Amino acid sequence: QVQLVESGGGLVKPGGSVRLSCAASGFIFSDSYMSWIRQAPGKGLEWISYISRTGTIYYADSVKGRFVISRDNAKNSVSLQMNSLRAGDTATYYCAKVDGKRLVYFEHWGQGALVIVSS
Amino acid sequence: SYVLSQPPSVSVAPGRPAAISCGGDNIGEKSVHWYHQKPGQAPILLIYFDSDRPSGIAERFSGSNSGNTATLTISRVEAGDEADYYCQVWDSSTNHWVFGGGTKLTVL
Repeated sequence: QVQLVESGGGLVKPGGSVRLSCAASGFIFSDSYMSWIRQAPGKGLEWISYISRTGTIYYADSVKGRFVISRDNAKNSVSLQMNSLRAGDTATYYCAKVDGKRLVYFEHWGQGALVIVSS
Repeated sequence: SYVLSQPPSVSVAPGRPAAISCGGDNIGEKSVHWYHQKPGQAPILLIYFDSDRPSGIAERFSGSNSGNTATLTISRVEAGDEADYYCQVWDSSTNHWVFGGGTKLTVL
């Protein structure tokens, strides 16, 4: 079965950086399309980044220029490098597998990694 | 950017139907997807392409989409359906995925 396991969260100071990783299994990762979605405490879901199987990348305006998504097909993983962090980036970050046909919905989600930006 | 509007909360008695709306400009021309999220858990896909259910999702859950409103319907609500429900579309004009603000379903 599909499994997505995020790691790398924690407490980081404003202006600092952190790298999240998502280990994938149960499907052919190199053929997959992946996204990161975040949820601030007590708030709703916010899509923030996407990477296709061929490397096409999109970012939400809120993170563009600060966050970098990448993938390593040899390690079946997708990562999110988060730079210039602000208090407003405090959230649980979910890795999700995008449907492989129309690329429009998230068919599987990881359990999330909490990032807290605070001094 | 495209905006989806959901009521913050919906309350319903057990065994009764519940409807959760998702409003957007000509949303009927888009495909709408729904997720539910229980406290402390990750979201789970509930409905995709307006009305399709993934395997394992109960037939009590259904969806529709027309005009400016998409609707998630739970035919007979159970206590275990208490969760936050989110609608979502893909905005082709920006290549962004957009979520509604979420609706908290309370079972009375």
